[in-house]
Amino acid sequence: ETGVTQSPTHLIKTRGQQVTLRCSSQSGHNTVSWYQQALGQGPQFIFQYYREEENGRGNFPPRFSGLQFPNYSSELNVNALELDDSALYLCASSYGQSRNTGELFFGEGSRLTVL
Amino acid sequence: GQNIDQPTEMTATEGAIVQINCTYQTSGFNGLFWYQQHAGEAPTFLSYNVLDGLEEKGRFSSFLSRSKGYSYLLLKELQMKDSASYLCAVRDMNTGFQKLVFGTGTRLLVSP
Repeated sequence: ETGVTQSPTHLIKTRGQQVTLRCSSQSGHNTVSWYQQALGQGPQFIFQYYREEENGRGNFPPRFSGLQFPNYSSELNVNALELDDSALYLCASSYGQSRNTGELFFGEGSRLTVL
Repeated sequence: GQNIDQPTEMTATEGAIVQINCTYQTSGFNGLFWYQQHAGEAPTFLSYNVLDGLEEKGRFSSFLSRSKGYSYLLLKELQMKDSASYLCAVRDMNTGFQKLVFGTGTRLLVSP
């Protein structure tokens, strides 16, 4: 069973630039969620995609956007980068939207540093 | 609103037992998760409780009391490799979709 893979693993950008992070979901999973984890903090929910549509969003500004593709892989785009965007960005996949679905499977994350 | 509290740091010795507590206040509760996260790595799933009581899984057990908004993770026979952050997360279905709300994590240091 293929796990969740993310790329790139590390990247450095400067303020004002744009970044795209990519995620391939676990085989058989159709839902992808993105989380931001600042140093020393727990992950914060950014948004979730199901069947190529955003169906839930956390408290993040519109410059955080995403896509989900027919193969259920996903992208996270961040425009006009700010210093506070420096964090580990985690992608998590799961199956369906049933209340009974349990765990999210996390990728290893993309560590973004904004200078 | 949503609020999840857990201790910032704990220390314990190899072979001992440690209990990591988590209290939460959230609407739309539909399950509580514990994840383990080693430094620089992704969180990995440890346990899931949706009904009151104890769930045991090898050296790890997790307890939930929904009326008290309280959970704990119990780690027995501690090993050095258990040094990690332990994240308590509540599944919030109030918005109609599956979203996990995480605490800040408890950093556990296991010493020889």
